[in-house]
Amino acid sequence: DAMVIQNPRYQVTQFGKPVTLSCSQTLNHNVMYWYQQKSSQAPKLLFHYYDKDFNNEADTPDNFQSRRPNTSFCFLDIRSPGLGDAAMYLCAITQDYTDTQYFGPGTRLTVL
Amino acid sequence: AQKITQTQPGMFVQEKEAVTLDCTYDTSDQSYGLFWYKQPSSGEMIFLIYQGSYDEQNATEGRYSLNFQKARKSANLVISASQLGDSAMYFCAMREVYNAGNMLTFGGGTRLMVKP
Repeated sequence: DAMVIQNPRYQVTQFGKPVTLSCSQTLNHNVMYWYQQKSSQAPKLLFHYYDKDFNNEADTPDNFQSRRPNTSFCFLDIRSPGLGDAAMYLCAITQDYTDTQYFGPGTRLTVL
Repeated sequence: AQKITQTQPGMFVQEKEAVTLDCTYDTSDQSYGLFWYKQPSSGEMIFLIYQGSYDEQNATEGRYSLNFQKARKSANLVISASQLGDSAMYFCAMREVYNAGNMLTFGGGTRLMVKP
């Protein structure tokens, strides 16, 4: 059974129209990450939650926000998507940083 | 300087043969971990194998083994008996305990194509 679930798998949005991507997990791991991966590039960390503590990467644009209402769920909000935000968005989980990071299947975002 | 370097952007291998994917890393941390992930065209990052900096034995997981040479700072992935389903992008990643707060740094990836 999948440990990390991401919905939807494919998301199409219009330029400037807010969009929310969701991630859920079945393992109750306390750390959840969001990565952005553009075509033919390595994943780039946007931010992560350690329990309820939010940790933003220094170069993550303000356009990207996140919410973690409980241990199992984490959301990525893109307030005003631009064409450059078209990418695969990967959610990952780990326990206390020291475990292996396990990734979800990703959401492929298209911006029209 | 690049933290993780994968020098082979693309590689071909014949089905059933072994293949080595190169990965070199740069760190001053004494405690770190090295990971390999596989990413098929569907997009999911699949964890393959892990090697800790203090592990003396090379890690193995089924057809995957990690050739860890600490002095040379290399952590090459060896896939034995390649299968068509092994065609994918492969990423080497490093987790540094002190320098990077346990965050992962990824290499640029190697695209492996298995020929029938």
